[in-house]
Amino acid sequence: AQSVTQPDIHITVSEGASLELRCNYSYGATPYLFWYVQSPGQGLQLLLKYFSGDTLVQGIKGFEAEFKRSQSSFNLRKPSVHWSDAAEYFCAVAQRQGAQKLVFGQGTRLTINP
Amino acid sequence: KAGVTQTPRYLIKTRGQQVTLSCSPISGHRSVSWYQQTPGQGLQFLFEYFSETQRNKGNFPGRFSGRQFSNSRSEMNVSTLELGDSALYLCASGSGAQETQYFGPGTRLLVL
Repeated sequence: AQSVTQPDIHITVSEGASLELRCNYSYGATPYLFWYVQSPGQGLQLLLKYFSGDTLVQGIKGFEAEFKRSQSSFNLRKPSVHWSDAAEYFCAVAQRQGAQKLVFGQGTRLTINP
Repeated sequence: KAGVTQTPRYLIKTRGQQVTLSCSPISGHRSVSWYQQTPGQGLQFLFEYFSETQRNKGNFPGRFSGRQFSNSRSEMNVSTLELGDSALYLCASGSGAQETQYFGPGTRLLVL
């Protein structure tokens, strides 16, 4: 069965500092990979996705993620965080065949110190 | 294009009642998926509909059901509500191929 692990439940960084959120997945083949962000009381907004090709993908709001097949990882990065980046971040995988179904990690809550 | 819309945004019900939630996908999208989000269990897949047919179902009891109409709008029904059904219910739409799913704002259900 597919699974996604986000090892960090809560991360605090200072505004302007760099950020890396970790994501590891377990799947028999290379799945589709996603990062979503959720602000309090809101739905999920897609930050970026990896389907194939270049393993470094760029997303919205200055985020990027790197797919590393050998480590089954898809870590999210941002060079300099802004106070508005405070939110919960979810990594998700989807199988490449069949019905659409996302398997999510438990999420990482990001707090920004001024 | 308008995004995914969900109604109502908030609901309060009592145990034993039933509830129906509605989701309108992005225009042109034929796939609608439903997810339950709780603090304890996180985001869990409920089911997915494509062209009025359920294509996939998660591990939820039969009290949770859904349907999709010919215009791709979807409804989710929960019968005999339990306290543990209190959650944020999220709907997502997609083209139906293995592509990105776009989420609505959710319906927050509180069961008393």
